[in-house]
Amino acid sequence: EAGVAQSPRYKIIEKRQSVAFWCNPISGHATLYWYQQILGQGPKLLIQFQNNGVVDDSQLPKDRFSAERLKGVDSTLKIQPAKLEDSAVYLCASSFSLNTEAFFGQGTRLTVV
Amino acid sequence: DQQVKQNSPSLSVQEGRISILNCDYTNSMFDYFLWYKKYPAEGPTFLISISSIKDKNEDGRFTVFLNKSAKHLSLHIVPSQPGDSAVYFCAASAYSGAGSYQLTFGKGTKLSVIP
Repeated sequence: EAGVAQSPRYKIIEKRQSVAFWCNPISGHATLYWYQQILGQGPKLLIQFQNNGVVDDSQLPKDRFSAERLKGVDSTLKIQPAKLEDSAVYLCASSFSLNTEAFFGQGTRLTVV
Repeated sequence: DQQVKQNSPSLSVQEGRISILNCDYTNSMFDYFLWYKKYPAEGPTFLISISSIKDKNEDGRFTVFLNKSAKHLSLHIVPSQPGDSAVYFCAASAYSGAGSYQLTFGKGTKLSVIP
């Protein structure tokens, strides 16, 4: 079974630039999550989708972050404009349904300079 | 306000001995608990979980214990192997409304198993 795929693996951008991350969840998984993991911290949920609908985006900084999951499969997370404090690993995860174990991708390490 | 706490940033254990990783939580609404293992440059990997209606769940060398009255859970690894060296995250889930369950992670404990 293929796991959660994410790209790119690494990205370096200057502050105020924009960046986008892509995620392809495990086939058949209805729930998709985006997490932000800052160095030395545990992952923090940014947004959660159930199929193509948002069920929780309470911790997403909506002035600069956006995410979509068209057709209920792939998802993209965008940051525009980026700030230095956005430097982190962005993890995508998926689960079969709500409140079941989530499976993570390898993450995208973002460095904002 | 950290709702899931892993107070030990690191732990070293001899190969073959028991590793015990601890986790405390403050939110009494958490009803599902998970442990994830993370190697460098990889995403977290699901290890084992436990529902709040249980106090123990076992899977091979891994056992998770839940003490709801103390709001404490622990992960036991017996026997510990060098390949178990990784960062272990405790996570807890609670219903957050509108059909959403939010997973909250601790900061992680780095386990080093010494051959």
